[in-house]
Amino acid sequence: EAEVAQSPRYKITEKSQAVAFWCDPISGHATLYWYRQILGQGPELLVQFQDESVVDDSQLPKDRFSAERLKGVDSTLKIQPAELGDSAMYLCASSLGGVGANYGYTFGSGTRLTVV
Amino acid sequence: AQSVTQLDSQVPVFEEAPVELRCNYSSSVSVYLFWYVQYPNQGLQLLLKYLSGSTLVKGINGFEAEFNKSQTSFHLRKPSVHISDTAEYFCAVSEKAGTALIFGKGTTLSVSS
Repeated sequence: EAEVAQSPRYKITEKSQAVAFWCDPISGHATLYWYRQILGQGPELLVQFQDESVVDDSQLPKDRFSAERLKGVDSTLKIQPAELGDSAMYLCASSLGGVGANYGYTFGSGTRLTVV
Repeated sequence: AQSVTQLDSQVPVFEEAPVELRCNYSSSVSVYLFWYVQYPNQGLQLLLKYLSGSTLVKGINGFEAEFNKSQTSFHLRKPSVHISDTAEYFCAVSEKAGTALIFGKGTTLSVSS
């Protein structure tokens, strides 16, 4: 079964350092999402891509977060500088897009970030 | 704006007992509804979805959910739970194809023997 690959699985970083997460969606999936999940909460959308274009980044804290999907395939989410409140699980998901999205996303296993 | 309310943060049950996890949504238009399960330190796995048609939806692992438009609810049920069903369950909604899902805060299902 095809999977969404994310790396690293776990990351510990010091406050004010830069950190980056990588996501490789299922082949052929045009839409890619980054979600942040704080412990004990549901996932919240950070950014949505359609191919290489950003569709929705209204909830992305743009002073410190950036996301790119240069060739419309894999994607990188960066935080600089990291703050204690950024400690969370960062989930990547992909879907066919359009009507295909109705069949549900496929999520990766996530990156657990701890900022110390 | 859309929102999802999961009415119970924790649901403890004994093995082989039935369970219902409650979900209400708020939206002014037609919606698509989903239930996902998350095991510790894992991503989310789709259990079932409602897009249109029959209001009773069957999913994986013996779960089912019923869409009730008048009560804006999409409750998840299983007639007999197993220890292995212990996990976090999330209800989610989207208003149209291709838009991002809005998730509830989750319900922790704890099954004990």
